[in-house]
Amino acid sequence: KQEVTQIPAALSVPEGENLVLNCSFTDSAIYNLQWFRQDPGKGLTSLLLIQSSQREQTSGRLNASLDKSSGRSTLYIAASQPGDSATYLCAVRSSGTYKYIFGTGTRLKVLA
Amino acid sequence: EAGVVQSPRYKIIEKKQPVAFWCNPISGHNTLYWYRQNLGQGPELLIRYENEEAVDDSQLPKDRFSAERLKGVDSTLKIQPAELGDSAVYLCASSLELFSDEQYFGPGTRLTVT
Repeated sequence: KQEVTQIPAALSVPEGENLVLNCSFTDSAIYNLQWFRQDPGKGLTSLLLIQSSQREQTSGRLNASLDKSSGRSTLYIAASQPGDSATYLCAVRSSGTYKYIFGTGTRLKVLA
Repeated sequence: EAGVVQSPRYKIIEKKQPVAFWCNPISGHNTLYWYRQNLGQGPELLIRYENEEAVDDSQLPKDRFSAERLKGVDSTLKIQPAELGDSAVYLCASSLELFSDEQYFGPGTRLTVT
């Protein structure tokens, strides 16, 4: 059974810092992995999707990496801004399934 | 283009009362999902529809939860009777097709059972 863990649970950084959010999963037989952002009172928005054959994906100031063999993914946010404050969720789709298993999220606060 | 619409946004009920949530997916999206998100946790899938057919309801507690998507468009999730442990945010999402990885989420309904 796939389990997804995210560390840290919460993070507070000053504006302008580069930061890394971590996601680990127990079963390396994955189809793909997504990083989502969730703002208070709102639904989830997909940020980046990495297929199992890929090592990383980039979008603007965001870079996500994937290491299947070690069961890890990281989300790197460059030059953080107060608008980046949100909860970031990692979700894993295992091979042979359509279902995503979500982590518990990292609550990020970027201080102005 | 309008996103996924959910109502109500907030609901407070006493235990043992019934409650219903409504979702209208993005126009043209055939696949609809209901998730439950407990406080401090990630979403967990309850049921998935392909058009009007529930193709996966294995995680839906069938003793008290029911769902329908009669015309393959909007959907209703019902709880009867509600229990204290049902307090959570109920999220609806939709995607264009069955195996699409692009799910679009609504803002959710926050349920509080007292």
